[in-house]
Amino acid sequence: GEDVEQSLFLSVREGDSSVINCTYTDSSSTYLYWYKQEPGAGLQLLTYIFSNMDMKQDQRLTVLLNKKDKHLSLRIADTQTGDSAIYFCAEALYQKVTFGTGTKLQVIP
Amino acid sequence: NAGVTQTPKFRVLKTGQSMTLLCAQDMNHEYMYWYRQDPGMGLRLIHYSVGEGTTAKGEVPDGYNVSRLKKQNFLLGLESAAPSQTSVYFCASSSVVGLRNEQFFGPGTRLTVL
Repeated sequence: GEDVEQSLFLSVREGDSSVINCTYTDSSSTYLYWYKQEPGAGLQLLTYIFSNMDMKQDQRLTVLLNKKDKHLSLRIADTQTGDSAIYFCAEALYQKVTFGTGTKLQVIP
Repeated sequence: NAGVTQTPKFRVLKTGQSMTLLCAQDMNHEYMYWYRQDPGMGLRLIHYSVGEGTTAKGEVPDGYNVSRLKKQNFLLGLESAAPSQTSVYFCASSSVVGLRNEQFFGPGTRLTVL
């Protein structure tokens, strides 16, 4: 089966950049996603990248995809306290979506 | 639009009791999913449905049953609850556009089995 791995915890200071990393195993994945989960809530889609792209930028978010190494990263520029949450990467092949373990981002004021 | 709603929000069961979790979506999505979230394990897929009247097993289906009698509703049943089923349960729905599958999540149901 597919495994999507992330480090469990990341702590950054407000104003710094955060980089959250993810490795996946299914080279057939068509899209890769980043979701954000705030305390007590469900997941919300942050951004996604198609598998034939290697970078996507969306305001403060930059997604990098290295297909050769099956590595995905999410960079958040100028991290704010409101960015504190759990971030999940996910890989998808048609209707099947596999989520990573989640990285808890703590932003220190 | 309410999006994806789940009832109940919280529930405490005793071992062996049964219950049904209800998920409803008003986005006319074809696909619906049930996940469980446990600390350090991310989201694990329990069952999913690709359309009204269809269901399929996910990664961790044992101990759960589902039904999708109406397109907008997806029910998750626990016939005989066990402490290992203590978890937060999330429902999601999606509509695959091309190859893209953006999932919309409900707020979750926190279940404790004593």
